[in-house]
This record gives sequence, structure tokens and C-alpha cells, in this order.
Amino acid sequence: DADVTQTPRNRITKTGKRIMLECSQTKGHDRMYWYRQDPGLGLRLIYYSFDVKDINKGEISDGYSVSRQAQAKFSLSLESAIPNQTALYFCATSEPWTSESSYNEQFFGPGTRLTVL
Amino acid sequence: ELKVEQNPLFLSMQEGKNYTIYCNYSTTSDRLYWYRQDPGKSLESLFVLLSNGAVKQEGRLMASLDTKARLSTLHITAAVHDLSATYFCAVGAGGTSYGKLTFGQGTILTVHP
Repeated sequence: DADVTQTPRNRITKTGKRIMLECSQTKGHDRMYWYRQDPGLGLRLIYYSFDVKDINKGEISDGYSVSRQAQAKFSLSLESAIPNQTALYFCATSEPWTSESSYNEQFFGPGTRLTVL
Repeated sequence: ELKVEQNPLFLSMQEGKNYTIYCNYSTTSDRLYWYRQDPGKSLESLFVLLSNGAVKQEGRLMASLDTKARLSTLHITAAVHDLSATYFCAVGAGGTSYGKLTFGQGTILTVHP
């Protein structure tokens, strides 16, 4: 089974709808991240969480909200979807830098392709 | 604000040729990562570079880091079709933002027979 899973994998919705994307991980990592990918722009950080009680905005948080329900679960919501939120969304996890072996490397889920009409 | 720039953004290569992808970043960092993404797939970690002068190699790919120049390179030797993918560099933030990554735009590599 995959270490980092995302649901749904594909979603088509209409402008103004509320959408939730879910991420679960079995890696036991404390840190979780949400990114969106747009062609030519790389991955941009939306929100990140270093533990269940710590949630922080990334560079493009407007129009998004998150919930960290447990160490293993981190959800991203679009309160009122708009067409320019059409993108590929990735969840990622990492360990803290507690030892040289962790490297704070991020591990990515399979992605959710969201289309807002 | 940390900025990361890759070049080229598009790279079309013939099999057997060598080429280098460059990753420049704007502020001091002690961690740089290279990822590979196949079309429609997730990101796969290739290399983690943690110190000035670090060099890592895996197969036909070799990555290096020069922290003084704020530059990392990903060198491709004798390219083969299987290397066709998008390659991203990502730089780790410091200070209170430690743990965050800033990604470059990605380099789309196509290897032709």
C-alpha cells in the first residue's frame, strides 16, 4: 500500500462549490504539506503543518483552508471554488530534522487533479 | 523571499548526448533536493545535497551543490529515452521556516532516439 494517499484522484466541479481534498499517510511523519502544481510554475506551497496543533500558511493560501484531523490526516478545502484553482494538488510528508538520516526529505502522494468549470 | 530558478525549462536531447540542468537560488540554504516527475505521476526523490561541494550520482545522473554560488547542477550522461521526465530542484528554507521547500519551475526533458 502507498505511504501517502490522496482522495479523490480526479474531481470536476463547478464554480462556487465547496471541495475537500484529503490526504492520509502511514509513514508516521509529523510534518505535512499541501502544494499545487501549474504548468511552468513548479510546485507552490499552499499550507503546511509541523504537528497536529501547528498549521501555517504557505505562499498561496488565499481561497484555501486546511484541517489537521490527526497526525496521519491533513485535508485541504476550497470554500468556493473558482476556475483558476484548476490544478494538480499534491500532499507531502516529512520527518523533522532530528538526525542526519532524515534529511527533512519530503515524500509526495499521487496527486489530485481538480478541474473547476 | 527565497526564489529558485531552473534552466533550461525545456530540453530536447538525442540519446547518447550529455547535458546539464542548472538550479540557481537566491538566499543561503543548507539543503537542496532534486525530484523527478513522470507525466501524470507524483514526484520521486532523486538526490539530497546537504553541504557545499556535495556530489551524488545514480546511474546516468549526477547532482552537485555549490552553496557559495547558490547553484546546483544535474548532469545527464549519455542520455537514454527512459530519462524523459520533468526534473525539479527544491531548496530548503532556514530560520523559522525550516522544513519548507521552494521549488524551481521544472525542466521538461525529452530524449529522442
